[in-house]
Amino acid sequence: KNQVEQSPQSLIILEGKNCTLQCNYTVSPFSNLRWYKQDTGRGPVSLTIMTFSENTKSNGRYTATLDADTKQSSLHITASQLSDSASYICVVNTGFQKLVFGTGTRLLVSP
Amino acid sequence: GAGVSQSPRYKVAKRGQDVALRCDPISGHVSLFWYQQALGQGPEFLTYFQNEAQLDKSGLPSDRFFAERPEGSVSTLKIQRTQQEDSAVYLCASSLEFTGTYGYTFGSGTRLTVV
Repeated sequence: KNQVEQSPQSLIILEGKNCTLQCNYTVSPFSNLRWYKQDTGRGPVSLTIMTFSENTKSNGRYTATLDADTKQSSLHITASQLSDSASYICVVNTGFQKLVFGTGTRLLVSP
Repeated sequence: GAGVSQSPRYKVAKRGQDVALRCDPISGHVSLFWYQQALGQGPEFLTYFQNEAQLDKSGLPSDRFFAERPEGSVSTLKIQRTQQEDSAVYLCASSLEFTGTYGYTFGSGTRLTVV
């Protein structure tokens, strides 16, 4: 069964600190992997997208990595801000318009 | 429009009532998706349209769920005889073309509560 697992489920960090969120997937076939940020009461917003051949992709303070061999991805947030408090969802696209979503990591950045 | 618009934002329905949820995708976007997101979970695929054609409805949980996109733009997700387990946020997403290469834009969702 296609699955995307994320860890930790929730995380609290102090403002200004860095953090890393993990994503393991067992999805086949694989087209690309996206990280989304979902604020409470809003739809997900794309942060990064990586294809099979890409190892890392940055978007401002967000850096995503992908290891296609081990089927693992991470999202690193640098110098966290209060506005980073949200759920971060790892999504794998099978290439057949099927997006497999993880359950997300709920991040709280505390002042 | 500038984004994907969904209405209503919130809907409370009595068990057994029929509901209709609307999605206005970004103008010109070919593909449209519906997802169901239970509390604390990631979105789960319901159905997918390419223009007016419903190409995949494998995620619809029962025959009480029906979706349409008659003119290839606005889409409606209808749930008949709602049950408590239907309570969730229903997200709509659209993409410019069918491969999704340029990404997916999500609406803010409709939160359905069945009482």
